[in-house]
Amino acid sequence: QKEVEQDPGPLSVPEGAIVSLNCTYSNSAFQYFMWYRQYSRKGPELLMYTYSSGNKEDGRFTAQVDKSSKYISLFIRDSQPSDSATYLCAMQDQFYFGTGTSLTVIP
Amino acid sequence: KAGVTQTPRYLIKTRGQQVTLSCSPISGHRSVSWYQQTPGQGLQFLFEYFSETQRNKGNFPGRFSGRQFSNSRSEMNVSTLELGDSALYLCASSFLINYGYTFGSGTRLTVV
Repeated sequence: QKEVEQDPGPLSVPEGAIVSLNCTYSNSAFQYFMWYRQYSRKGPELLMYTYSSGNKEDGRFTAQVDKSSKYISLFIRDSQPSDSATYLCAMQDQFYFGTGTSLTVIP
Repeated sequence: KAGVTQTPRYLIKTRGQQVTLSCSPISGHRSVSWYQQTPGQGLQFLFEYFSETQRNKGNFPGRFSGRQFSNSRSEMNVSTLELGDSALYLCASSFLINYGYTFGSGTRLTVV
């Protein structure tokens, strides 16, 4: 079993939709959780950083961590075409990354 | 402020050769990590350096090595290249450990 599992998609939504991206993990010792966005031909860009359980909001982005279920989510409200990218979850010293979910927001 | 700079951007090498990739972190960042990204495996951690010391190493063969200099610049070396080493190699730097990294645009290595 991989340490981090992420649905690769692809995910296609209309502009303005709410997007939900998810990762599950197997190691209950993980404390640090991050979400990155990666555009084509670029390196990943840090979007959200969360320590332990709970929610964190930044503009249109909300990160949730449920340690009891070993499940993390990223919600994007009012999605825009510029949000079209691959989204990666990362955990614990960033040793562990999900394989990424490809998102396309259709105008 | 300059971001993380990786050189070269593209590289083509032959099987059996060796290659050295370079990474200049953001000024003031002392932690540098390296990753391999492929379509099938995603982002895989190679190693992490902090103040010239390797803190952690991923599950890669000994052909993959790295180092960090006193100015925080880092290099990674891959010896005896194999076709499967073709990938995007990403470097990332951070001021603090476990705080979220800033990535460079990567070096695209193709082994033929």
